[in-house]
Amino acid sequence: DSGVTQTPKHLITATGQRVTLRCSPRSGDLSVYWYQQSLDQGLQFLIQYYNGEERAKGNILERFSAQQFPDLHSELNLSSLELGDSALYFCASSPGGAGSSYNEQFFGPGTRLTVL
Amino acid sequence: KNQVEQSPQSLIILEGKNCTLQCNYTVSPFSNLRWYKQDTGRGPVSLTIMTFSENTKSNGRYTATLDADTKQSSLHITASQLSDSASYICVVAVRGGGSYIPTFGRGTSLIVHP
Repeated sequence: DSGVTQTPKHLITATGQRVTLRCSPRSGDLSVYWYQQSLDQGLQFLIQYYNGEERAKGNILERFSAQQFPDLHSELNLSSLELGDSALYFCASSPGGAGSSYNEQFFGPGTRLTVL
Repeated sequence: KNQVEQSPQSLIILEGKNCTLQCNYTVSPFSNLRWYKQDTGRGPVSLTIMTFSENTKSNGRYTATLDADTKQSSLHITASQLSDSASYICVVAVRGGGSYIPTFGRGTSLIVHP
């Protein structure tokens, strides 16, 4: 158990809908990262937050947004869902921010999103 | 374009045997390189991390090497166990805009047979 929790575990929805994925980092970790893992693309970095502020951006679509709250939990919002958005979405946390990429990241169990 | 290529795509070995997984990258500017182990349906777990100046890093039966000149890394698994069956992912962090962006390889799927 990494100490990172994600909810829900599974999510099934229809095209065009909007969903919110939630992540609670390990106690004391200030950074939260979001990743998407699909069968044809592998793992892809979406976005990083550090202590409530966006710190780095990867291949995140404009239909997707995220935020980190004062209690450090984070939410990933996916809107206007398409079939291709079906994937495993992982959250990871680490103690440091962008200046400490050496820090180990601890991954949560993931949320499996299925768009029908 | 920054890329991380892993080989082989999949590998089947017998329990107790050794194996080596390869990772070639073209990302720049290089910050660090990590190897992760990912069991099916679970989140990746970090095995090793190396910076530019490190050639070798060990974690139990796992030994990673890095040649920053040729931009190649390898992960050697010694005396494999059934529990080593998993996907092994190479990740290279690229520095950009004051932040570090990870670029992932597609992974090598390892199956260890009894």
